[in-house]
Amino acid sequence: DAGVIQSPRHEVTEMGQEVTLRCKPISGHDYLFWYRQTMMRGLELLIYFNNNVPIDDSGMPEDRFSAKMPNASFSTLKIQPSEPRDSAVYFCASSITGLQPQHFGDGTRLSIL
Amino acid sequence: GIQVEQSPPDLILQEGANSTLRCNFSDSVNNLQWFHQNPWGQLINLFYIPSGTKQNGRLSATTVATERYSLLYISSSQTTDSGVYFCAAQITTSGTYKYIFGTGTRLKVLA
Repeated sequence: DAGVIQSPRHEVTEMGQEVTLRCKPISGHDYLFWYRQTMMRGLELLIYFNNNVPIDDSGMPEDRFSAKMPNASFSTLKIQPSEPRDSAVYFCASSITGLQPQHFGDGTRLSIL
Repeated sequence: GIQVEQSPPDLILQEGANSTLRCNFSDSVNNLQWFHQNPWGQLINLFYIPSGTKQNGRLSATTVATERYSLLYISSSQTTDSGVYFCAAQITTSGTYKYIFGTGTRLKVLA
């Protein structure tokens, strides 16, 4: 079975540009999570969805960040406008239920110049 | 909020050695998960262990929920075990789930 699929794997863009990260969860998983990993702050949960509905977005750093899940097999995390401090590795994860193990994608390494 | 602390922060082993990594959490948790982040940055599930002991090959984990800690044992370490090991605690607050990652143990296994 395919795991969680993220795209792109790497993204380099200039400050001020819009960035869109994509995630396809494991089929049948009702929960989808977006995380950010930085050296300074480690792994942080940004937002999670249950059955395509955002449940907790308290980890989203500011209004420049937004996430959507239009259907059970696709989610996006958008940053607009991007800033150099947004540079990080962004992970998507999914789980069958909220109390089951999370499975992570390979991440998107984002660099904002 | 809940604190998740891991020790030691760094560990260097000779191939073949055994090691124990520790994860302490400051409050009751629903679940506890261990991950290995390999040198390519991938996060690999190791164990999902809210309580008790599990084993998978050379790795095993024990969580003592009442005492708020979990241990990850690596036996006969190999160079491929190098990377960062994270524990992640799950709690429920106001009906929503919170996932708190520890800061990790960076392991280097020397040939």
